[in-house]
Amino acid sequence: DQQVKQNSPSLSVQEGRISILNCDYTNSMFDYFLWYKKYPAEGPTFLISISSIKDKNEDGRFTVFLNKSAKHLSLHIVPSQPGDSAVYFCAVTTSGTYKYIFGTGTRLKVLA
Amino acid sequence: SQTIHQWPATLVQPVGSPLSLECTVEGTSNPNLYWYRQAAGRGLQLLFYSVGIGQISSEVPQNLSASRPQDRQFILSSKKLLLSDSGFYLCAWMGYRPYFGPGTRLTVT
Repeated sequence: DQQVKQNSPSLSVQEGRISILNCDYTNSMFDYFLWYKKYPAEGPTFLISISSIKDKNEDGRFTVFLNKSAKHLSLHIVPSQPGDSAVYFCAVTTSGTYKYIFGTGTRLKVLA
Repeated sequence: SQTIHQWPATLVQPVGSPLSLECTVEGTSNPNLYWYRQAAGRGLQLLFYSVGIGQISSEVPQNLSASRPQDRQFILSSKKLLLSDSGFYLCAWMGYRPYFGPGTRLTVT
């Protein structure tokens, strides 16, 4: 029972272009959403988050969009840089609970 | 600031051997602690979480167990490893969000 899905296991983008990573969830009770970035042999690091009261949150080159009706969130990276090459995980939770559910990850490769 | 340590960084173990992975947290008291596993082709799977000493909740029935003997120490164990236990094991503590340690790469041969 996958509550969080990242349907694209990999994505290649040219340097300077936009990267769009997608994430779908099934439970409308989730109200806080996060993106993590992971390099090989390292732990994931937090990138950006959004709560369900918003539909967009920006931090520099990174923007997260939330579509609650579609139960869909996306991460936009503009412009993409080679250093952005990593695996990106989306995560969801319900406020006040212990449990963060992570997606399967999307491997982004930014080509120089 | 808080720091999370895991060791060993890499481990190769034969099938049927025991396992002990350790996680310690510095800079915070009474943290909520988690064990996750990243297996090939899969996401980050929550294995165990702990809200205090001796308090462990299991998320997935499996060949593994966890213990929390001290406030800032979390241990993942197995009596007999299976090939399917191979993966990247991550310890995390819960601040405003999960903060992950550097991970342990376990290969069961």
